[in-house]
Amino acid sequence: EAAVTQSPRSKVAVTGGKVTLSCHQTNNHDYMYWYRQDTGHGLRLIHYSYVADSTEKGDIPDGYKASRPSQENFSLILELASLSQTAVYFCASGTGGVNQDTQYFGPGTRLLVL
Amino acid sequence: SQLAEENLWALSVHEGESVTVNCSYKTSITALQWYRQKSGEGPAQLILIRSNEREKRNGRLRATLDTSSQSSSLSITATRCEDTAVYFCATDRGNMGYKLTFGTGTSLLVDP
Repeated sequence: EAAVTQSPRSKVAVTGGKVTLSCHQTNNHDYMYWYRQDTGHGLRLIHYSYVADSTEKGDIPDGYKASRPSQENFSLILELASLSQTAVYFCASGTGGVNQDTQYFGPGTRLLVL
Repeated sequence: SQLAEENLWALSVHEGESVTVNCSYKTSITALQWYRQKSGEGPAQLILIRSNEREKRNGRLRATLDTSSQSSSLSITATRCEDTAVYFCATDRGNMGYKLTFGTGTSLLVDP
């Protein structure tokens, strides 16, 4: 069974503070993704990675950094959290490649920035 | 504009009825996926249908794909309360199959 875990599951942060969201996968997948979900916007891709020590920008990367220290771990970093970054964040993993594949999602992290 | 979008924001049916969720997309694709997201959980894939397929089934679920009209449908027969969830379609971006674009989702409520 595919397994993607996220920590923390919820977090309250202050505006201007630093927030790190962590993701761990045991699927042995090359690709990992960070999405944010807001009501009415579905899932939007923030950053992704296809190999350790390398990350790529997604569709909405501004205000976010990512780190992939190993194949299993992928972090999302908000250096200066802002109110507009209040959302639910999902991590996913997949085999990637040219042909579309299944993405396996974690349970999400609910972030509230005050 | 959305590259993929479901056609209705919300649906409500009674348990045992059938329901169809529709999706339209704007770019050429290699495949389209349907995901379901239950409250408090991450999305989970239901069906992946490739561009050379017209129909795919998974138990009570049936997905169709019409590449000429750039549309897809997901039908659920004999609905159960546990089918209550948000249903998303997701498409790739041509030769970037690893990058998905998700629709905004259709919320389905199945009443007992």
